[in-house]
Amino acid sequence: KQEVTQIPAALSVPEGENLVLNCSFTDSAIYNLQWFRQDPGKGLTSLLLIQSSQREQTSGRLNASLDKSSGRSTLYIAASQPGDSATYLCAARKRGGYQKVTFGTGTKLQVIP
Amino acid sequence: ETGVTQSPTHLIKTRGQQVTLRCSSQSGHNTVSWYQQALGQGPQFIFQYYREEENGRGNFPPRFSGLQFPNYSSELNVNALELDDSALYLCASSPTGLAGGPGDNEQFFGPGTRLTVL
Repeated sequence: KQEVTQIPAALSVPEGENLVLNCSFTDSAIYNLQWFRQDPGKGLTSLLLIQSSQREQTSGRLNASLDKSSGRSTLYIAASQPGDSATYLCAARKRGGYQKVTFGTGTKLQVIP
Repeated sequence: ETGVTQSPTHLIKTRGQQVTLRCSSQSGHNTVSWYQQALGQGPQFIFQYYREEENGRGNFPPRFSGLQFPNYSSELNVNALELDDSALYLCASSPTGLAGGPGDNEQFFGPGTRLTVL
């Protein structure tokens, strides 16, 4: 059974700082891993999708990496802004057969002006 | 191109009642998944529909059921509501997969329906 863990559960940083969010998964047989942002009480906004054959993806100030062998993915946010404050979730999609998606519990990020 | 939409936004029900939540997928997306997100938790997979058939199910009892329609919109039905069913319910659609198969790649989420069971 796939388990996805995100550490830390909460993070507070001053504006302008670079930061890294961590996502660990127990089953390396994944099809892809997707990072999302969720604002309070809202749905999920897709940030980056990394296929199992890829090592990283970049979009603007965001960079996500994937290391299947160690069961880890990281989301790097450069030059953080108060508008980046949200909960960040990672989701691993299983490879083979029915491709179930397992989410982590999220990291709540606060960027202080 | 419109995104994924869900209705209603909020809903209050009492224990034992039944509820129907609705989702309209993005155009060209033939696969829809439903998730339950309790406060402070990550979304938990309920089930997925592809071409109007259930294509996979998480650890949810049979009182959670769904439908997908020919236009790829879908419903989540929950019978005999319990207090623990209070949560944000999210649907996500995925683009049609290779050779018209199930969408197995990126998921696009709707804004969710907040269900409160009293």
